[in-house]
Amino acid sequence: DAKTTQPNSMESNEEEPVHLPCNHSTISGTDYIHWYRQLPSQGPEYVIHGLTSNVNNRMASLAIAEDRKSSTLILHRATLRDAAVYYCILRDPDNAGNMLTFGGGTRLMVKP
Amino acid sequence: EAQVTQNPRYLITVTGKKLTVTCSQNMNHEYMSWYRQDPGLGLRQIYYSMNVEVTDKGDVPEGYKVSRKEKRNFPLILESPSPNQTSLYFCASSPRGGLGAEKLFFGSGTQLSVL
Repeated sequence: DAKTTQPNSMESNEEEPVHLPCNHSTISGTDYIHWYRQLPSQGPEYVIHGLTSNVNNRMASLAIAEDRKSSTLILHRATLRDAAVYYCILRDPDNAGNMLTFGGGTRLMVKP
Repeated sequence: EAQVTQNPRYLITVTGKKLTVTCSQNMNHEYMSWYRQDPGLGLRQIYYSMNVEVTDKGDVPEGYKVSRKEKRNFPLILESPSPNQTSLYFCASSPRGGLGAEKLFFGSGTQLSVL
């Protein structure tokens, strides 16, 4: 699977927007971009995914660069509950067995 | 409620004493998988199963066994645990696996300590 690069940590103020970047310069044409997050003492939780177009759901938005070499997860109004480690992952549909390869992720800290 | 259930949540054992960590999902998912999470190493896949009676090795299968006799259950077996298997374990499931757009549902984790 192609690798992703994310900052180790980021800080945000409560109720402000947060933009979490991810670089994936070796992405292939069929790789899906997935984001998961892991709250303290919990299992990873799906956030959003996309292929080429920007995506929105109730949790977040995903902005994908035109060349697909980078993407940004956008939390529109950060809350204290959003403090977690966020993982950007490339999902290769041809690799049926290993669905997700998790890297180090970005630890998001939210200040009141 | 749709969920992946792991038991136990915490387990302390001694070297060589066989143990089983159970995983059950109520979503009729075909794909199930086990991960371990260690500081600095992220989540690494141990074994996965594409369907009943179909299992395969992930990235770190040594020292582990799995079985998939029925769709809902996917137990992780440590025949002779060693201290290097002390870790946080997660079970996950997905409707079919193998598709780029599918998402994984994770359990709450099992913290295993092998003394």
